[in-house]
Amino acid sequence: NAGVTQTPKFQVLKTGQSMTLQCAQDMNHEYMSWYRQDPGMGLRLIHYSVGAGITDQGEVPNGYNVSRSTTEDFPLRLLSAAPSQTSVYFCASSWTGQGYGYTFGSGTRLTVV
Amino acid sequence: AQTVTQSQPEMSVQEAETVTLSCTYDTSESDYYLFWYKQPPSRQMILVIRQEAYKQQNATENRFSVNFQKAAKSFSLKISDSQLGDAAMYFCAYRISFSGGGADGLTFGKGTHLIIQP
Repeated sequence: NAGVTQTPKFQVLKTGQSMTLQCAQDMNHEYMSWYRQDPGMGLRLIHYSVGAGITDQGEVPNGYNVSRSTTEDFPLRLLSAAPSQTSVYFCASSWTGQGYGYTFGSGTRLTVV
Repeated sequence: AQTVTQSQPEMSVQEAETVTLSCTYDTSESDYYLFWYKQPPSRQMILVIRQEAYKQQNATENRFSVNFQKAAKSFSLKISDSQLGDAAMYFCAYRISFSGGGADGLTFGKGTHLIIQP
């Protein structure tokens, strides 16, 4: 099915470990973005990309890196995991034409112990 | 920076009745998009309705409609004939228009937990 695919769905990390959350979309959307969702906080923007090779920071970028080498993929890297990064992470892609909107992946629940 | 405020952490409504969820936002832009997203316990983010700021007509999608008051910076969601499947977290979100430059991303409110009483 067309959409945004996030892997893994669940992950437990130890403090200091690094990992990459994967995000792929098959809708040829130009824009992609990463959010984190914490209890009582809503979703907050981490990083976004407006096209292959172009990325920028959102509201809460510290501790995260991104790259966009292809239109389809937008991985999020945690450099050195901290307990404060325990959260649910969502990837989204968006189109800019008629009926503009965002499609979200199903999320990754990350726990850092 | 833009902010989105949802002042109702939780709302409860009887099945088949109507409920309105409130959202206010702050922006200095004149052109932007507003959204309502639904998040059921499965945590999937589902687009409910979208409003473009330059359109004066309020958006409607079946039982869902909005009351968009641009001058008051208010964007409320009305759910008519509430159904058990409407129970979820509802998030209001804002996005600057594409004419505003190369930025992307949504600014979300903290959400309203909607409970449907059978």
